[in-house]
Amino acid sequence: QVQLVESGGGLVKPGGSLRLSCEGSGFIFSDYYMSWVRQAPGKGLEWISYISISSTYTNYADSVKGRFTISRDNAKNSLYLQMNSLKVGDTAVYYCARGFGETNSHFDLWGQGTLVTVSS
Amino acid sequence: SYVLTQPPSVSVAPGETARITCGGDNIGIKRVFWYQQKPGQAPVLVVYDSSDRPSGVPERFSGSNSGNTATLTISRAEPGDEADYYCLVWDGNADHWVFGGGTKLNVL
Repeated sequence: QVQLVESGGGLVKPGGSLRLSCEGSGFIFSDYYMSWVRQAPGKGLEWISYISISSTYTNYADSVKGRFTISRDNAKNSLYLQMNSLKVGDTAVYYCARGFGETNSHFDLWGQGTLVTVSS
Repeated sequence: SYVLTQPPSVSVAPGETARITCGGDNIGIKRVFWYQQKPGQAPVLVVYDSSDRPSGVPERFSGSNSGNTATLTISRAEPGDEADYYCLVWDGNADHWVFGGGTKLNVL
């Protein structure tokens, strides 16, 4: 069925690094923009990064710019988020989300999320 | 950067109409998307392009957008509608998406 499955979350110390993965199935992964959205415990949704179909375009929220890197491997139907210099404030559930249509206007498919905890 | 403002909570009696607002500078010219999120679950789209409804979403859910306020209206509210609701827009100046802070809908 059509789905996104994230993995790679866990406990990491401040200043550490982590790489999240998201695998898509049931659809042509290479036809879609992809994004990462996070949600801190008890808080709202925060978009943090997107990547275009061929990886030509990327952008980041100011809160993660310079520390996080988004990438994708269309041959593996996979999206990645390399997170460096992690802070306590990066603790959140991280969702990968598919962009809708040619205009990438919104998110029409979400994964179940993976929890990242940054703590000493 | 573009800011979206939502009330933290809205309460409604079962069977009544709930209105959740999303305020932003001249938001009326933007396409607004509304998501419903229940505890422990990923968000689900309930309104797209400010006023359209995805297939499978009850007709009780509707949206409007004008001036500086977009509104999600839930008619004949049911206990199962209790959830957090988020508005979303694209900020073309910054080349990124913006979520509102979210509104917890209480049906009681």
